[in-house]
Amino acid sequence: QQQVKQSPQSLIVQKGGISIINCAYENTAFDYFPWYQQFPGKGPALLIAIRPDVSEKKEGRFTISFNKSAKQFSLHIMDSQPGDSATYFCAASLNTDKLIFGTGTRLQVFP
Amino acid sequence: DAGVIQSPRHEVTEMGQEVTLRCKPISGHNSLFWYRQTMMRGLELLIYFNNNVPIDDSGMPEDRFSAKMPNASFSTLKIQPSEPRDSAVYFCASSFLGGPTNEKLFFGSGTQLSVL
Repeated sequence: QQQVKQSPQSLIVQKGGISIINCAYENTAFDYFPWYQQFPGKGPALLIAIRPDVSEKKEGRFTISFNKSAKQFSLHIMDSQPGDSATYFCAASLNTDKLIFGTGTRLQVFP
Repeated sequence: DAGVIQSPRHEVTEMGQEVTLRCKPISGHNSLFWYRQTMMRGLELLIYFNNNVPIDDSGMPEDRFSAKMPNASFSTLKIQPSEPRDSAVYFCASSFLGGPTNEKLFFGSGTQLSVL
């Protein structure tokens, strides 16, 4: 019930391509869905987040798509750049409770 | 603000030794979280505190692990005795739960622990 399942585990994309990472959750009471970005040797940092009252949120090249009925949400990175190479974590939380993280996706963008 | 500060950055110790990891959260934050990151299990929440009180320690692997938060500006995670399987990166994170951006979690740079 508390799990967040993330796929794929790793992703290789050509520069300029679209990177797509998917997450699925079980608890319909979750009300906050962030994505965190982690570079090697650093802690994760908040990238973008969405609440279930909207189906999409865009910030620059990063977009979250949210499908409440399917209990799924995804991160799209448009025009992927080598500097986007990092590990990405989706997460979900209930009210003001702790975040439940997915297992992470290692993205590599090649020039 | 300097962000969440963790020490040490790297710790190498021998099996059986006591290990203490330290964390200074961001001033004004009321919640502190300890995570462990490994390749196999990803980011695992070990324990979190709200207003210095442990709220959920269900992720603490076993009695060898203990965490304290004696005041709002300091927390420790202790492993005694340490074992090779404890080798991982340990992150501390803080946030302000209850405010308009209550879920934004700020992570420290982590402590890379190696138990030989």
